Amino acid sequence: EAEVAQSPRYKITEKSQAVAFWCDPISGHATLYWYRQILGQGPELLVQFQDESVVDDSQLPKDRFSAERLKGVDSTLKIQPAELGDSAMYLCASSLGGAYNEQFFGPGTRLTVL
Amino acid sequence: DQQVKQNSPSLSVQEGRISILNCDYTNSMFDYFLWYKKYPAEGPTFLISISSIKDKNEDGRFTVFLNKSAKHLSLHIVPSQPGDSAVYFCAATTSNYQLIWGAGTKLIIKP
Repeated sequence: EAEVAQSPRYKITEKSQAVAFWCDPISGHATLYWYRQILGQGPELLVQFQDESVVDDSQLPKDRFSAERLKGVDSTLKIQPAELGDSAMYLCASSLGGAYNEQFFGPGTRLTVL
Repeated sequence: DQQVKQNSPSLSVQEGRISILNCDYTNSMFDYFLWYKKYPAEGPTFLISISSIKDKNEDGRFTVFLNKSAKHLSLHIVPSQPGDSAVYFCAATTSNYQLIWGAGTKLIIKP
């Protein structure tokens, strides 16, 4: 069964360091999402791609976060410099797109900033 | 401004009984709703969905009910099993194919 791949699964870093997360969506899924989830809350959308284009990054803290999907397939989310408040689960999801297509999630990356 | 609300942070149910998880929304323009299940250290997994043209959708032990006039939906799990212990999220689809999520309800199935 096709799955969304994410790496690493866990990342521990010190504040002010740079971190990067990778996501490989399900083959053929044009829409890719990056979310941040804090315990006790629902996922918060950071950025949405349609193929290689950013559709919505209004909630992405652009002073320290960046995201790219250069060839419209896999994607990277970067944080530089990391801050203590960035500790969270970072989830990637992909979808065929359209109004009634569910999003499929990867296992997530648990980031801890010390 | 929470557009999708799950007011019960947790719910404890006896194995074999019915679990009912509730969700309220404020935006009458939402027309498609989804339930996801999440285990610790894993990503959410799609469970069941419902379109606003329906008031009920069933898939095995899972049934979702939609009451548009009350802007309320509920997920019923019958019978509840130990493997159902997880966090359940309600989400609504927006016009630009994004999901608006509730805060989740942690379901605990007691033996």
